[in-house]
Amino acid sequence: DIQMTQSPSSLSASAGDRVTIACRASHSISSYLNWYQQKPGKAPKLLIYAASSLQSEVPSRFSGSGSGTDFTLTISSLQPEDFATYYCQQSYSPPLTFGGGTKVEIK
Amino acid sequence: QVQLQESGPGLVKPSETLSLTCTVSGDSISRYYWNWIRQPPGKGLEWIGHIYYSGSTNYNPSLKSRVTISIDTSKTHFSLKLNSVTAADTAVYYCARQSSAWGMDYFYYWGQGTLVTVSS
Repeated sequence: DIQMTQSPSSLSASAGDRVTIACRASHSISSYLNWYQQKPGKAPKLLIYAASSLQSEVPSRFSGSGSGTDFTLTISSLQPEDFATYYCQQSYSPPLTFGGGTKVEIK
Repeated sequence: QVQLQESGPGLVKPSETLSLTCTVSGDSISRYYWNWIRQPPGKGLEWIGHIYYSGSTNYNPSLKSRVTISIDTSKTHFSLKLNSVTAADTAVYYCARQSSAWGMDYFYYWGQGTLVTVSS
């Protein structure tokens, strides 16, 4: 199985801050990496697919980068509605696996 | 507008079988991989497995011995069965459609999720 490790597991930030979340795969997954945002009581929402492609209707302050084993999700200017938990997920090979999540909290 | 809706019992006794159905509307079920994903309370996401419209399946090895995913012949819903459940199977269960761009898959359409509690 491909293990996905996210860091940090949580962070505190203020509105307007630039936030970076890292995701590392235990084996190379090329660009088969997706990012999701989840708010309490809701299903995850796709933000980024194929490592760097922004899902339509997702604000451009979200961006993804990386390939191989190391990936990053960046929020350029944190907005109040961005406080949530973020997950990476590899689709390179089954079993499809998720990172442990990064909770972004209000400082 | 593609919609997925999970349904099934919210409470299952230990050692019994958890059964859920995902009803798909707004799209044909005969084109994609259809997935089950779960999330224990306060924890992360775990992929359970998926089924292609043809009936071929792939399961998470950690659950493979207990899981069956099936798709109905009228192709409007797919189902999950998880047997011999324990308290560790208590989770919100989501169904999701696996979409693809340039051969790279992702989950765009999700059901709202249904909480299943395993307790006597």
